[in-house]
Amino acid sequence: NAGVTQTPKFQVLKTGQSMTLQCAQDMNHNSMYWYRQDPGMGLRLIYYSASEGTTDKGEVPNGYNVSRLNKREFSLRLESAAPSQTSVYFCASRMNTEAFFGQGTRLTVV
Amino acid sequence: AQSVAQPEDQVNVAEGNPLTVKCTYSVSGNPYLFWYVQYPNRGLQFLLKYITGDNLVKGSYGFEAEFNKSQTSFHLKKPSALVSDSALYFCAVRDWDNYGQNFVFGPGTRLSVLP
Repeated sequence: NAGVTQTPKFQVLKTGQSMTLQCAQDMNHNSMYWYRQDPGMGLRLIYYSASEGTTDKGEVPNGYNVSRLNKREFSLRLESAAPSQTSVYFCASRMNTEAFFGQGTRLTVV
Repeated sequence: AQSVAQPEDQVNVAEGNPLTVKCTYSVSGNPYLFWYVQYPNRGLQFLLKYITGDNLVKGSYGFEAEFNKSQTSFHLKKPSALVSDSALYFCAVRDWDNYGQNFVFGPGTRLSVLP
């Protein structure tokens, strides 16, 4: 039982490059989330998906797009990376009450 | 809007001593409250939750938390700290502004347990 799996674990991008962060969960959860973690700021919600086929903006969506490909997978795309997007990104999923998190992607934009 | 405060950036405690990590909250609906722990280079792990019922909830690794409605607090406690408890701790609430779909996290408290 893998839970929530994120790829890649580490990535370095140059300003202006694009990339997609992948997330998959095997718990048959309806809701999935993308957060970013910055020092002293906790986790901030980028986008979420309440169910397959739906996505909604969170607190900090600018510069990001998402796709809920199916019930298992929820990807996050950076179209033109900026240094301000240097962060640790976490994917999470939820069925009822608590959320379950992946191990994170450490992204550096230079 | 929901919000979570963790008033201490850092908590230091000696091994074997009791520990408390503080959390206060503001919610517009029922307070669904959570504690998560993050070990270095890892994702967040669920520790415990309060939804309803007994104000003292017990969770993983010997942790417990006390819900206090009048003080709007949900402090995390452990009777005897271990060095292995050293980690970053996050308090969170369900965000009822979005039909309960999301969570609002506090900024985190770094716990250091000294041998």
